[in-house]
Amino acid sequence: NAGVTQTPKFRILKIGQSMTLQCTQDMNHNYMYWYRQDPGMGLKLIYYSVGAGITDKGEVPNGYNVSRSTTEDFPLRLELAAPSQTSVYFCAGAPGHLAKNIQYFGAGTRLSVL
Amino acid sequence: GENVEQHPSTLSVQEGDSAVIKCTYSDSASNYFPWYKQELGKGPQLIIDIRSNVGEKKDQRIAVTLNKTAKHFSLHITETQPEDSAVYFCAASGNTNAGKSTFGDGTTLTVKP
Repeated sequence: NAGVTQTPKFRILKIGQSMTLQCTQDMNHNYMYWYRQDPGMGLKLIYYSVGAGITDKGEVPNGYNVSRSTTEDFPLRLELAAPSQTSVYFCAGAPGHLAKNIQYFGAGTRLSVL
Repeated sequence: GENVEQHPSTLSVQEGDSAVIKCTYSDSASNYFPWYKQELGKGPQLIIDIRSNVGEKKDQRIAVTLNKTAKHFSLHITETQPEDSAVYFCAASGNTNAGKSTFGDGTTLTVKP
């Protein structure tokens, strides 16, 4: 049972390039989330999904897009990368028990945009 | 929306001492308060949580207390060990927001041997 797997672990992008951060989970979780973590800061929610085919914006969605075609996968797309998107990105899954919605995080993707 | 403030941002203690991290939240509808530990180079991992119908919860050397009236909750670590050194995040969530959690900015705890 791998839990939540993120790829790649590290990536350097040039300004204006695009890329997809992959996230897959094998826990059959309905809910999935994407966060960014800037140095010394907490986790800011980018996008989330409550099930396949359903996505919604979080706190900081500008410059990102997501899709949720299956329960397992929740890729995050960056179009026209900017230096402000340099951050560590975490994907998380949760079972969807709203009274106790424990989130299980991947190991993160460290992205630098130069 | 919910706003969570966490203090202190850094905390250094001697091995064996206790550590306390405090968080306040703004939304009275929040009813679930998890604490996550993030070790260097890894994703956050749940260490303890508390629901709003409970005032205190303990798990070995860690405990969490909740004051609903004052809208604050705290993490207590006793008999700290060097392996407790990490970044700790508090969070708050409610039943009506798709299970989304609002996180504090984190506390970097250093336990000196």
